[in-house]
Amino acid sequence: KQEVTQIPAALSVPEGENLVLNCSFTDSAIYNLQWFRQDPGKGLTSLLLIQSSQREQTSGRLNASLDKSSGRSTLYIAASQPGDSATYLCAVPRGRNNNDMRFGAGTRLTVKP
Amino acid sequence: EAGVAQSPRYKIIEKRQSVAFWCNPISGHATLYWYQQILGQGPKLLIQFQNNGVVDDSQLPKDRFSAERLKGVDSTLKIQPAKLEDSAVYLCASSLSTKDEQYFGPGTRLTVT
Repeated sequence: KQEVTQIPAALSVPEGENLVLNCSFTDSAIYNLQWFRQDPGKGLTSLLLIQSSQREQTSGRLNASLDKSSGRSTLYIAASQPGDSATYLCAVPRGRNNNDMRFGAGTRLTVKP
Repeated sequence: EAGVAQSPRYKIIEKRQSVAFWCNPISGHATLYWYQQILGQGPKLLIQFQNNGVVDDSQLPKDRFSAERLKGVDSTLKIQPAKLEDSAVYLCASSLSTKDEQYFGPGTRLTVT
């Protein structure tokens, strides 16, 4: 059974800091991993999708890495801004051929001006 | 490109009442998902459709929850009768196929009193 854990549950940093969010999963037989952002009272916005054959993906100030063998992914946010304040969730498909996404509980990020 | 649409955005009902949620996926997306997100947790898949057929409903509480996607486009999720523990955000997502990236709607926030 795929279980996804995110650490820390909450993080507060001053504006301008670089930060790393962590995601771990128990079953390494995944074919992709996705990072989402969720603002309070809103749905999920996809940030980055990493295929199992990739080691990392970059979008602007965001960089996500994937280490399947150790069951870990990190989301790196450079030069954080108050607008980055949100909950960040990672998700992996339940199995090889099923897109039932298993989500972590998320990391609630606050960037203080 | 229009995103995933959901309505209503908010709903407050008393326990034992019935409620229905509606989802319109992105045009051309064959796969549709309903997730339940309880406060402080990641989303949990309730049911997955491929066109108008059910792919996975193993986590749907079938004694009170039902969902349909009759014409392979729009979908409705119903709860009858509602319980206090059904208070959550109900998210709809769609993807081109079961292995493609999922796009989420804004969600419906249900409060059961």
